[in-house]
Amino acid sequence: NAGVTQTPKFQVLKTGQSMTLQCAQDMNHNSMYWYRQDPGMGLRLIYYSASEGTTDKGEVPNGYNVSRLNKREFSLRLESAAPSQTSVYFCASKAYATEAFFGQGTRLTVV
Amino acid sequence: SQQGEEDPQALSIQEGENATMNCSYKTSINNLQWYRQNSGRGLVHLILIRSNEREKHSGRLRVTLDTSKKSSSLLITASRAADTASYFCATAIQGAQKLVFGQGTRLTINP
Repeated sequence: NAGVTQTPKFQVLKTGQSMTLQCAQDMNHNSMYWYRQDPGMGLRLIYYSASEGTTDKGEVPNGYNVSRLNKREFSLRLESAAPSQTSVYFCASKAYATEAFFGQGTRLTVV
Repeated sequence: SQQGEEDPQALSIQEGENATMNCSYKTSINNLQWYRQNSGRGLVHLILIRSNEREKHSGRLRVTLDTSKKSSSLLITASRAADTASYFCATAIQGAQKLVFGQGTRLTINP
């Protein structure tokens, strides 16, 4: 039982490059989330998907797109990376009104 | 701005003492959750308290919720060096589907 799996764990991008962060969960959860965490800060919600087929903006959606590919997978895409997007990205999933389970994070550096 | 704000931002105490962290939030919630994070790793769920509950215990953890004041507190009793971590509150809003985090309290337990 892997829980929430994120790939890749580390990535360095040049400004303007694009990339997709992958997230998959095997707990049959309806809801999935993408957060970013900057040094010394809390988690800020980028996008979330309350159920398969729906996505909603969070607190900091600009510069990102998401796809809820199926119930298991929720991807985050940076179309044109900027240095301000350097951060640690966390994916999470949960069932209704329960606790969230987190992946181990993707450390992204944009140079 | 973030839904939850935590106080204090940093707390340093001696091993064996109790640690109290507070969380205030802005909008109505379905539930409030506390998480722990060690050194930039993924978050681990500690305890969930529903909006119709006032107090909850789990081992050395005690959480209270005052919905009239839109605030919660996390008490860790008899602290240990291994409790050194960052602690975050998260509120489940908009039908419990959206999960928004505070900026966290960095707790240091001195041996």
